[in-house]
Amino acid sequence: SAVISQKPSRDICQRGTSLTIQCQVDSQVTMMFWYRQQPGQSLTLIATANQGSEATYESGFVIDKFPISRPNLTFSTLTVSNMSPEDSSIYLCSVEAAGFIEAFFGQGTRLTVV
Amino acid sequence: AQSVTQPDIHITVSEGASLELRCNYSYGATPYLFWYVQSPGQGLQLLLKYFSGDTLVQGIKGFEAEFKRSQSSFNLRKPSVHWSDAAEYFCAVGYGNEKLTFGTGTRLTIIP
Repeated sequence: SAVISQKPSRDICQRGTSLTIQCQVDSQVTMMFWYRQQPGQSLTLIATANQGSEATYESGFVIDKFPISRPNLTFSTLTVSNMSPEDSSIYLCSVEAAGFIEAFFGQGTRLTVV
Repeated sequence: AQSVTQPDIHITVSEGASLELRCNYSYGATPYLFWYVQSPGQGLQLLLKYFSGDTLVQGIKGFEAEFKRSQSSFNLRKPSVHWSDAAEYFCAVGYGNEKLTFGTGTRLTIIP
């Protein structure tokens, strides 16, 4: 399996500022994903973080708003830029580990923008 | 495109009663099927998964799910729920290297 550490667990931010969320995995993984879960909603994939190349974004999400880094096979960051109250959500890091068909999830970052 | 339907937004059951959460999918082939649970303020934890073989799969915490190809369903069951089972439950489907598609979730409330 894979154990994922996500930081911060929660934050309250002022509108117009940016927050960077970190995701650390205890093993090397090829695929890392970032999801958004808006209040009372299901999970929506933001992007796939690729090691050594730019992230692949889903429809409706852009790099300028959600820049992603993936410097190595165990770490990724997601930045939520120029935040507005509509960005208040839970952001989840997820990975696929070798030999497993399921995805593993971090504990999530609960973001509130005021 | 594939889709996942969880028709029950919210279910309330008494502690000790049986539980069934419904999940239907639309997909061109038999996908990988998953049930995840999300406790308040937590990430998602895998309860069980199906990709081939026996259509009745056992998971953690006493949960099981049955894959029915003819009905495109993968319903989650538990014979006797505990107060600690109160959470949000998500059905998800995927195939190969494709991204997971999640249902909208079912919120489970347990009453004494």
